Amino acid sequence: DSGVTQTPKHLITATGQRVTLRCSPRSGDLSVYWYQQSLDQGLQFLIQYYNGEERAKGNILERFSAQQFPDLHSELNLSSLELGDSALYFCASSVALDRGPYGYTFGSGTRLTVV
Amino acid sequence: AQSVTQLDSQVPVFEEAPVELRCNYSSSVSVYLFWYVQYPNQGLQLLLKYLSGSTLVKGINGFEAEFNKSQTSFHLRKPSVHISDTAEYFCAVSEPQSGYALNFGKGTSLLVTP
Repeated sequence: DSGVTQTPKHLITATGQRVTLRCSPRSGDLSVYWYQQSLDQGLQFLIQYYNGEERAKGNILERFSAQQFPDLHSELNLSSLELGDSALYFCASSVALDRGPYGYTFGSGTRLTVV
Repeated sequence: AQSVTQLDSQVPVFEEAPVELRCNYSSSVSVYLFWYVQYPNQGLQLLLKYLSGSTLVKGINGFEAEFNKSQTSFHLRKPSVHISDTAEYFCAVSEPQSGYALNFGKGTSLLVTP
């Protein structure tokens, strides 16, 4: 157990729907990162939050959004889902913004299947 | 932004043989480099990282990597592999300008056979 909890582990939904993925960071970690892993695109950074504020953005689609709550858990919202959004979504956390280079801890991921 | 190229998509190797997984990165003034491993149906586990200092970095499970600034490379090596090393290996780079987000290579699939 890495200490980063992602729920649900698996999600199957239809095209056009909206889903929310949840991530609880390791205790004491303030920074949360979201990544998408797909066969086509590989592992891609989506977005980062630090202590409730958005800090960096990667290849995140406009249909996707995220937020980090006061208790530091984060949610990734995916809307108007398309077949190509089927992927493994990872969350990672690190203790502080400037501790990023020291490596961070990944959750086990949420596998999203859009049918 | 920094980018990473993993030169081999698949590397088949026999058990107890040495292995090298190659990684090149785009040049930058300062760079932080990582290798992660992903076992089937699991998340990502950090193998080792280079932040500064000694160019030879030792990681978990007997892996090591050498940072070569002139060649802009960060190749991963293991002198003797086990069946249990069969997994996907990802090289990654991060930089402060992107909040230390990781930019991953496409991955190298290591397949160890008896």
